[in-house]
Amino acid sequence: AQSVSQHNHHVILSEAASLELGCNYSYGGTVNLFWYVQYPGQHLQLLLKYFSGDPLVKGIKGFEAEFIKSKFSFNLRKPSVQWSDTAEYFCAVNGASNTGKLIFGQGTTLQVKP
Amino acid sequence: EPEVTQTPSHQVTQMGQEVILRCVPISNHLYFYWYRQILGQKVEFLVSFYNNEISEKSEIFDDQFSVERPDGSNFTLKIRSTKLEDSAMYFCASRGQGHYNEQFFGPGTRLTVL
Repeated sequence: AQSVSQHNHHVILSEAASLELGCNYSYGGTVNLFWYVQYPGQHLQLLLKYFSGDPLVKGIKGFEAEFIKSKFSFNLRKPSVQWSDTAEYFCAVNGASNTGKLIFGQGTTLQVKP
Repeated sequence: EPEVTQTPSHQVTQMGQEVILRCVPISNHLYFYWYRQILGQKVEFLVSFYNNEISEKSEIFDDQFSVERPDGSNFTLKIRSTKLEDSAMYFCASRGQGHYNEQFFGPGTRLTVL
C-alpha cells in the first residue's frame, strides 16, 4: 500500500530563513506528487505538482520541490520565508490508483516569526 | 475563480443520528472525492465518484456511508448512524477531465458527534 511520510511535524522559522520540508513516499511505480497548503481558516490549495519531466518543479509563491526518484522523496523548499507562509503543508501522492485519489502525509505546521 | 463549496461549515449531532454533508463541486468537473481529517491526524481518502458511481472507496467507507449526486450539481456524503469516532473535518474535492488536473478542495465541514 502507498504511504507518505513527512518528517517535520512542526517547524518554526524566522522571516527570511530558508525552508525545506521533507516528504518521502512508498510506492515503486509511477507516481504523481503534490504539495498542498492550508492557510489558517482556509481550504487546501495546491502549491505545486509533479507528473513527469523536469524533477525540479516550481510552484506558486516562490515554492519549489525536487523529485528524487532514487530516494522516493519530494521535498519542498523556499529560499526565504515570509510571515504569510505560516500554514500547514501537506505532501500527497497519487500512484497506484487510477481514480486520482490522493494519499496524504500527516502534514507539517510551519510557523514563521516576524 | 470557481471554487468548491461545502455546507454546513459545522455540524453538531447526537450519536446514532443521520447526517448529510453537502458539496457543490466546480461545475465542469467530472471526478468527485470525499476525504476526512480527524483532529491531529492525516487527511484520509474516503471515496471517489465518477460517472454517477463510486469508483473507489477506502476501508473507512463502510455501509454507514453513502454518496450521491442527486441533481447534477450537489455531491453529498451521508452517514447513516453517526458514531463518536466520525467526528472529523470532512473535505470534498473535485477534478476536471484529464490526467494532469489537480483536485480542488472545499473548505470542509467540521462534524462533531456527541
